[in-house]
Amino acid sequence: EVQLVESGGGLVQPGGSLRVSCAASGFSFSSYSLSWVRQAPGKGLEWISYITSNSATIYYADSVKGRFTISRDNAKDSLFLQLSSLRAEDTAVYYCARDDDGDNRIGYFDYWGQGTLVTVSS
Amino acid sequence: EIVLTQSPGTLSLSPGERATLSCRASQSVISNYLAWYQQKPGQAPRVLIYGASRRATGIPDRFSGSGSGTDFTLTITRLEPEDFAVYYCQQYGTSTAFGQGTKVEIK
Repeated sequence: EVQLVESGGGLVQPGGSLRVSCAASGFSFSSYSLSWVRQAPGKGLEWISYITSNSATIYYADSVKGRFTISRDNAKDSLFLQLSSLRAEDTAVYYCARDDDGDNRIGYFDYWGQGTLVTVSS
Repeated sequence: EIVLTQSPGTLSLSPGERATLSCRASQSVISNYLAWYQQKPGQAPRVLIYGASRRATGIPDRFSGSGSGTDFTLTITRLEPEDFAVYYCQQYGTSTAFGQGTKVEIK
């Protein structure tokens, strides 16, 4: 069974940093591209970052470019998102999602984790 | 940047009725790379349809997708109680983007 389990969310002050993680199991992690998608409270879905299976290609949404960094450790079946220079508008549930497309382009998301809540507030 | 506009914002229907949800793109979606997701309160989204009309694994056949170019539709032929949720479309032909969602609520 494919599982994605996020962790690392919490309360952080504006301007602060946080690292969220996603532990994967039940599939060949190193063969799949992955994305982070966030959802502000009561709002819709926003894609924010993508990484290919070998980390060779990375994309970011303009809203987080220069502040967030995506990475992965295929030896540990884990995906990470380093969040820096955080703002109130970054408050959201952060989901990791498996990309169905094996090419160097974002596809649709066939599996999602349950999400981890990041709250940016003083 | 392709912008997706979903309509209506809210759809009030009774169990057993037919639901028709629309997703309109500001530019043509390459190769009809359009997916639909269902999200229930407190849960992660679940993919229903990809490639505009292909049902994902395990999705009941009462869900169907259609459309091409800039206009896409998700149809639920007979609403079951578990189908009341928020539905999002996503284009993945040019980068990616989600629509703002349509809530299907019990009338």
